[in-house]
Amino acid sequence: QQQVKQSPQSLIVQKGGISIINCAYENTAFDYFPWYQQFPGKGPALLIAIRPDVSEKKEGRFTISFNKSAKQFSLHIMDSQPGDSATYFCAASHTGGGNKLTFGTGTQLKVEL
Amino acid sequence: DAGITQSPRYKITETGRQVTLMCHQTWSHSYMFWYRQDLGHGLRLIYYSAAADITDKGEVPDGYVVSRSKTENFPLTLESATRSQTSVYFCASRETGVNTEAFFGQGTRLTVV
Repeated sequence: QQQVKQSPQSLIVQKGGISIINCAYENTAFDYFPWYQQFPGKGPALLIAIRPDVSEKKEGRFTISFNKSAKQFSLHIMDSQPGDSATYFCAASHTGGGNKLTFGTGTQLKVEL
Repeated sequence: DAGITQSPRYKITETGRQVTLMCHQTWSHSYMFWYRQDLGHGLRLIYYSAAADITDKGEVPDGYVVSRSKTENFPLTLESATRSQTSVYFCASRETGVNTEAFFGQGTRLTVV
């Protein structure tokens, strides 16, 4: 079963626009929610992460919004740039869950000039 | 070089052959993971290990075998390769803790013909 559902599958945004990727989870034991960025031919790399005791975390142009009651979290990329074009994965893990991350299905973002 | 490395980067094998993918990390991280990446499925966990000589199944373990005799190495073996195992395989490591970052290797692209 897909414990972390991610949408959209692909996204095209104009340079300078806002990119929004959404994820929903089922397991209420999850207590760590990272986003990973992957460029072609590379492994995923941590972009930003949040714990459920805060509703928002911002790092530069990247913001995670977290809604614990709805079991949803999203990534917002402000002032999107062509260099942001990559695949983005949301993920979740929980203490005592073997430290293993459960990933969403990924979103291919393309930022056009 | 410090980090996590996978070998080989590319592999073509025939159906029914045994093939081993290697993973080596230099940080002495406790946890190591094997994921496969397929379009539409994201990253799915095959096996993981909490320490040397401790391994456990993930979401899609069938047809795979792992071992971990040393902390730094975590090889993945396909005992009798099938076409459905054509995929990109990623190894990752993560230190013990709630918010620790998972570091991924560059991936191995495996094609089973």
